Amino acid sequence: AQSVTQPDARVTVSEGASLQLRCKYSYSGTPYLFWYVQYPRQGLQLLLKYYSGDPVVQGVNGFEAEFSKSNSSFHLRKASVHWSDSAVYFCVLSAGTGYQNFYFGKGTSLTVIP
Amino acid sequence: AQTIHQWPVAEIKAVGSPLSLGCTIKGKSSPNLYWYWQATGGTLQQLFYSITVGQVESVVQLNLSASRPKDDQFILSTEKLLLSHSGFYLCAWSLPGGDTQYFGPGTRLLVL
Repeated sequence: AQSVTQPDARVTVSEGASLQLRCKYSYSGTPYLFWYVQYPRQGLQLLLKYYSGDPVVQGVNGFEAEFSKSNSSFHLRKASVHWSDSAVYFCVLSAGTGYQNFYFGKGTSLTVIP
Repeated sequence: AQTIHQWPVAEIKAVGSPLSLGCTIKGKSSPNLYWYWQATGGTLQQLFYSITVGQVESVVQLNLSASRPKDDQFILSTEKLLLSHSGFYLCAWSLPGGDTQYFGPGTRLLVL
């Protein structure tokens, strides 16, 4: 069965520090992977997505993610976080064709402290 | 510009009562539509999706049903609420065949 695991429910980092949010997926087929972010009092927004090719994909606001088939992972990274990055981040798997079935991780709540 | 509205914003309902949650997308024709549910402390689970008017596919069975009576409208309903229906309901849309979903603000439901 398909699933997404985000092992860290909460992460706290200092402003200017680097960040990695972890995501592991379970799917026997070709995964299509996404990171969405939910800022306080806003709806979910797409950060980045991966289908194939270069395993490192760039997103908005300096975020990037690296896909690893051998590790079944899609970790999100940022070199230097800003207080405005405080939000909840969701890793999402689309399984099958047609982008009709989506599986969400539980989310990681990121707090950036000054 | 496309907008997505969900109603109501929040609701408190009694066990056994009926429920109807709505979602409207303006500014985009023939979108794919999705319903998600998140129990408190749980994961967002996809409930339904629809690629066209009158056609709805169920992903997870939760004693809920969905309908798409118009191109821009997606309705989630049940005739008898259970305590387990409490949670957060999100509606989303995407372009036909598109991968990026655009989410509404959600509806919080508390069943007592």
